[in-house]
Amino acid sequence: GAVVSQHPSWVICKSGTSVKIECRSLDFQATTMFWYRQFPKQSLMLMATSNEGSKATYEQGVEKDKFLINHASLTLSTLTVTSAHPEDSSFYICSARDQLGQGLETQYFGPGTRLLVL
Amino acid sequence: TQLLEQSPQFLSIQEGENLTVYCNSSSVFSSLQWYRQEPGEGPVLLVTVVTGGEVKKLKRLTFQFGDARKDSSLHITAAQPGDTGLYLCAGVGGGADGLTFGKGTHLIIQP
Repeated sequence: GAVVSQHPSWVICKSGTSVKIECRSLDFQATTMFWYRQFPKQSLMLMATSNEGSKATYEQGVEKDKFLINHASLTLSTLTVTSAHPEDSSFYICSARDQLGQGLETQYFGPGTRLLVL
Repeated sequence: TQLLEQSPQFLSIQEGENLTVYCNSSSVFSSLQWYRQEPGEGPVLLVTVVTGGEVKKLKRLTFQFGDARKDSSLHITAAQPGDTGLYLCAGVGGGADGLTFGKGTHLIIQP
C-alpha cells in the first residue's frame, strides 16, 4: 500500500509554545489529507480535512485558530498546534486520501505524532 | 451522533478461539474499510469491501459487507497473540466527507 510519513514521531514542549507536525504522502499525490486526534483507548476523532490549495474544513468543536492547517502541495500537509496547553497532549494522526477511481477511495495513515505538553 | 456502532468494544480470549467483530450503521456506505492499529502507531488498512454481500478473506480473517451496505463483520479463526490490537471499521460516504470511524474493538489474545 501507499506510504504516508509523519514528522516528528513524538514531541515534548512547554505550555504556550507552538508545535508543527508534518504529514507527507511519499508515493502518491493527495489533494485531500485528514488530521485526526486519538486519546488513549479511544478511536480516531476527525479534526479537520486539509485540501490542497484551499482552506481546511474543521469539524465542529475544533478551534481553527488553535490548530492551523496548511496544505501547500499535493504531498504535504502541516498541522500547527498554537499556544499548546497540557490538554492538547494527545496522539495526532494524519491520513492521505488516494482516489482509486469509480468512486472508490482509500485513506492511508501516517504513523502518528505523540505530543506531550508540559 | 456515532454513525458506526462497533461491538464488542473490548474482547479478551484465549489463543486458538474464534471471534467476530461487528460494525453496524443506519447509513449506507459506498465502501467500508477495516483497520488494525497497534499502540503508538497509525492504523494499517486490512481490507476494503465495496459490494453488498461481498466476502473477503485475508488468511485467518474473513470480512463481510452486508447486503444493504450498512453493516460489516470481521471474523478471526484460531486467533493468535499476534492478532492483538485495536480493530477499527470505517465507512466511506454515509453523509460525511472522509472516513467515519467506529469506536474500535480492543482485542487481546492470551497465549
